[in-house]
Amino acid sequence: DTGVSQNPRHKITKRGQNVTFRCDPISEHNRLYWYRQTLGQGPEFLTYFQNEAQLEKSRLLSDRFSAERPKGSFSTLEIQRTEQGDSAMYLCASSLLDSRSPLHFGNGTRLTVT
Amino acid sequence: GIQVEQSPPDLILQEGANSTLRCNFSDSVNNLQWFHQNPWGQLINLFYIPSGTKQNGRLSATTVATERYSLLYISSSQTTDSGVYFCAVSGVNAGGTSYGKLTFGQGTILTVHP
Repeated sequence: DTGVSQNPRHKITKRGQNVTFRCDPISEHNRLYWYRQTLGQGPEFLTYFQNEAQLEKSRLLSDRFSAERPKGSFSTLEIQRTEQGDSAMYLCASSLLDSRSPLHFGNGTRLTVT
Repeated sequence: GIQVEQSPPDLILQEGANSTLRCNFSDSVNNLQWFHQNPWGQLINLFYIPSGTKQNGRLSATTVATERYSLLYISSSQTTDSGVYFCAVSGVNAGGTSYGKLTFGQGTILTVHP
């Protein structure tokens, strides 16, 4: 168990640019989640996958955001035409399918939009 | 949606002291986790505890689901316990596959002085 891995750890981009983050979940975990955390707040749910299917998206996930998990393994989160309000920590988590399985979070990707 | 309130918002302790953190939630839950977020932003899962009592070393947690609260106990605190403690829940009424869609509280900021 190597844990949930996220890359990059930090990303600085200019407003209007596109960015993509990657998450590699714990290998046997079927479910993968994306959360966003702004300074001084708790993380907020964005979306989740069960294997390759994206089962739910939050209203926070505007049409500039897209997430994929093409083969049910790693996932990518893309933000198009970034805005300063997108600056946040983007956290990925994974869990087993069992409803009694806790979520395990990665170290996050900190995005700064200038 | 489900509401989560944590108290106290801030807590300052001397090394060796004990403390109790509280989490109140507004609806029945099918998942409740306590996390510690360290100064580098990593969310570490402490307990998966939708009901009952668990202990892990100096930490223990109790959830009284019928009264909609959970408590996290830290005994003999150490400076490495400093950070933000989050309670996160998913509500039963949000749907059968929602247990990973966590709603986080605002957190308790714990500072332990040597």
